[in-house]
Amino acid sequence: QVQLVQSGAEVKKPGASVKVSCKASGYTFSDYYIHWVRQAPGQGLEWLGCISPNSGDTKSAQRFQGRVTMTRDTSISTVYMELRRLRSGDTAVFYCARALYNPSSISGYWGQGTLVTVSS
Amino acid sequence: DIQMTQSPSSLSASVGDRVTITCRASQRISTYLSWFQQKPGKAPNLLIYTTSALHSGVPSRFSGSGSGTDFTLTISSLQPEDFATYYCQQTYNTPPTFGQGTKVEIK
Repeated sequence: QVQLVQSGAEVKKPGASVKVSCKASGYTFSDYYIHWVRQAPGQGLEWLGCISPNSGDTKSAQRFQGRVTMTRDTSISTVYMELRRLRSGDTAVFYCARALYNPSSISGYWGQGTLVTVSS
Repeated sequence: DIQMTQSPSSLSASVGDRVTITCRASQRISTYLSWFQQKPGKAPNLLIYTTSALHSGVPSRFSGSGSGTDFTLTISSLQPEDFATYYCQQTYNTPPTFGQGTKVEIK
């Protein structure tokens, strides 16, 4: 069965960086884009970006450009999202999710979420 | 970026009620629209994609309609497990933007 398993919770200081991993299994890793979506406490869903596991091509939301980097390691079917220059407003649960039928679509396969807390 | 606007932001309803949530796109997106359900502390669940296609395992009381800029999610008979927050998302282009969410609460 399709699974996306994310790394554990992180606590970071303002100005630091965080790198979250998302390990895929149960399907051909290279066939589907992986998206990153975050949700601040009590807030809605916000798309950060996506990566093609096949080519490594990435797309990111304009407000995160320059701060977010997405990479993949095809040997272990894992994608990574690094967010730099963290501030308190970045405190959120970060999710990875597999695409559905086109690079902009998101399927029902999501990771369990990774809570990133930014606090001094 | 395409802006997605949901209404209402919240609603109160009773078990058995018919519930309708609307989503409006700031530009035409054909039928490239998905709906997600999210319960507290959980990842979102895909309900509907391409406006009206029911995702595997989703009960038939959920349905979607619309095209262009105006879309609707309907729950024909609200069940206790349906109390949650619902999000629309356009999949027409990047960035794939979400609506702000509609919280369905128990009356």
